[in-house]
Amino acid sequence: NAGVTQTPKFQVLKTGQSMTLQCAQDMNHEYMSWYRQDPGMGLRLIHYSVGAGITDQGEVPNGYNVSRSTTEDFPLRLLSAAPSQTSVYFCASSYGTGGLPQHFGDGTRLSIL
Amino acid sequence: GIQVEQSPPDLILQEGANSTLRCNFSDSVNNLQWFHQNPWGQLINLFYIPSGTKQNGRLSATTVATERYSLLYISSSQTTDSGVYFCAVVQGTYKYIFGTGTRLKVLA
Repeated sequence: NAGVTQTPKFQVLKTGQSMTLQCAQDMNHEYMSWYRQDPGMGLRLIHYSVGAGITDQGEVPNGYNVSRSTTEDFPLRLLSAAPSQTSVYFCASSYGTGGLPQHFGDGTRLSIL
Repeated sequence: GIQVEQSPPDLILQEGANSTLRCNFSDSVNNLQWFHQNPWGQLINLFYIPSGTKQNGRLSATTVATERYSLLYISSSQTTDSGVYFCAVVQGTYKYIFGTGTRLKVLA
């Protein structure tokens, strides 16, 4: 019972590099989302998806792209990494929308030099 | 947009003590959820509680949606309760807004 799996757990990038953070869930959840957590702060929503082929922006979408080609996978792309994107990234999923309990992955710690 | 404020920001307890954490939100919400982020950074669901009261062992939560607040009670605290407690509210249908958290340290 894997739940929500994020890879990699840690990554260091140089400014301007591109990268994809992977997120996969095996619970057949419709709703998936990406958050970033900066030191001493709560989580902020980057992008979310309510099903395959449907994505939308959250609170802090700039600098990030997403796509949802399957129910299981929801990758987050940084096209040109910037130091301001240094953060811990969490992926979450839930069975439905409207706040049914979200299940979180263990996070990806990303540092951009 | 909606504002979510949690208090206190920091809390230090002796093992065995009780505590109450508060979450205030500035507008009507569809749902509310409490999370515990443990010292390893993992986020654990505690309660999904849009209204009313729920209990799970030593933890309980109450949400009074009409007055725009929720409370998380921790009784007989243990060192394993240490970490950060977040509330998150759902605005509209899809968007979660997190509070800035209460950092709890329980001393043995």
